[in-house]
Amino acid sequence: DGGITQSPKYLFRKEGQNVTLSCEQNLNHDAMYWYRQDPGQGLRLIYYSQIVNDFQKGDIAEGYSVSREKKESFPLTVTSAQKNPTAFYLCASRDRATNEKLFFGSGTQLSVL
Amino acid sequence: QKEVEQNSGPLSVPEGAIASLNCTYSDRVSQSFFWYRQYSGKSPELIMSIYSNGDKEDGRFTAQLNKASQYVSLLIRDSQPSDSATYLCAVGLIYSGNTPLVFGKGTRLSVIA
Repeated sequence: DGGITQSPKYLFRKEGQNVTLSCEQNLNHDAMYWYRQDPGQGLRLIYYSQIVNDFQKGDIAEGYSVSREKKESFPLTVTSAQKNPTAFYLCASRDRATNEKLFFGSGTQLSVL
Repeated sequence: QKEVEQNSGPLSVPEGAIASLNCTYSDRVSQSFFWYRQYSGKSPELIMSIYSNGDKEDGRFTAQLNKASQYVSLLIRDSQPSDSATYLCAVGLIYSGNTPLVFGKGTRLSVIA
């Protein structure tokens, strides 16, 4: 079955530590996105990528980094510069040409130890 | 700054009633509109998309779009306790993969048995 796989489901970060959230899709979608969701809040865009080896900052990119070396993969690194990383992180993809719906992964809950 | 506004709720309706969820958007050139349902701790799932003015019905759900008023709504008929969730409105430009969807903060719906 085609879809988006996020891992891990739960992640804990220590002070000063960088952590990486994985996102893999087999839908052959060009566009991939990372969103952050805080309790009771909507989705805020962190980074997005329309094509391999290219990505753009979203509304809240500070303290995060991404790479897009393969079409299938769009990992997100939460750096030590992100002082309030506790949130639910969602990866999504979309067929850029047809503007079809966003497909979401199951999410990663990141907490600070 | 493109904005999508929703009442945060909670919106409480009795079982069997009609739930009405509203969304306004600021960007007049928006052309694609989506309603996502999100259960607590889960990723959003698409329930309706609409692109043209008027109504679009799918089962118990009806999406209504008025581009002149920059307003989109979702009606849920015969509301069930299982409809209790947060409903996210998302807005975008059709066939424009360079512009990510903009999400509202969501409306929390509670259907009382």
